[in-house]
Amino acid sequence: DTAVSQTPKYLVTQMGNDKSIKCEQNLGHDTMYWYKQDSKKFLKIMFSYNNKELIINETVPNRFSPKSPDKAHLNLHINSLELGDSAVYFCASSQGTWGGYTFGSGTRLTVV
Amino acid sequence: AQTVTQSQPEMSVQEAETVTLSCTYDTSESDYYLFWYKQPPSRQMILVIRQEAYKQQNATENRFSVNFQKAAKSFSLKISDSQLGDAAMYFCAYRSTNYGGSQGNLIFGKGTKLSVKP
Repeated sequence: DTAVSQTPKYLVTQMGNDKSIKCEQNLGHDTMYWYKQDSKKFLKIMFSYNNKELIINETVPNRFSPKSPDKAHLNLHINSLELGDSAVYFCASSQGTWGGYTFGSGTRLTVV
Repeated sequence: AQTVTQSQPEMSVQEAETVTLSCTYDTSESDYYLFWYKQPPSRQMILVIRQEAYKQQNATENRFSVNFQKAAKSFSLKISDSQLGDAAMYFCAYRSTNYGGSQGNLIFGKGTKLSVKP
């Protein structure tokens, strides 16, 4: 059983389109995250979310929005895609104060 | 704000040899977690090892061990008996023990690309 699953694994789309990436975790974790990995492999937090609170990294454009239908899901919606949005997006989850994350396998987004 | 620095963009090791990857961090907190993650070409992020700052004993996981120097804010990863499957990007990461808000986020270094020569 996959602990954190993301779909799709690859996404190619044109500039200006709107797209979504889905994430589901079956670990019972209380917090989920979205990270962006750029072309230089740098990983940066975009959002963190638990039942009580959504924290948005201030550098993330408001074209990006997380949506959580329930505790096990945190989807990422992106409006008006731009070339600079091309990257690998990782979903992750964690539980409580113990530090480690479990990551999904990533979604490679290519905007053409 | 906390920062994590990996000063070696690339490293190379001969199969069966030992290699050490460096990581330093900056924080004003006294308690925190440190991690090493491995990212092979498959791009999956795999937790290699973790260290709680309040523990003086260095963490060990099979062929992987850390040298945690709290005063120096240094957290290096040693890979013994290197194998071809160890070839990957390795990321050092920091996380506060405070839970809630942005403090729970993992802060990553820029990574070290490890090559293993047969």
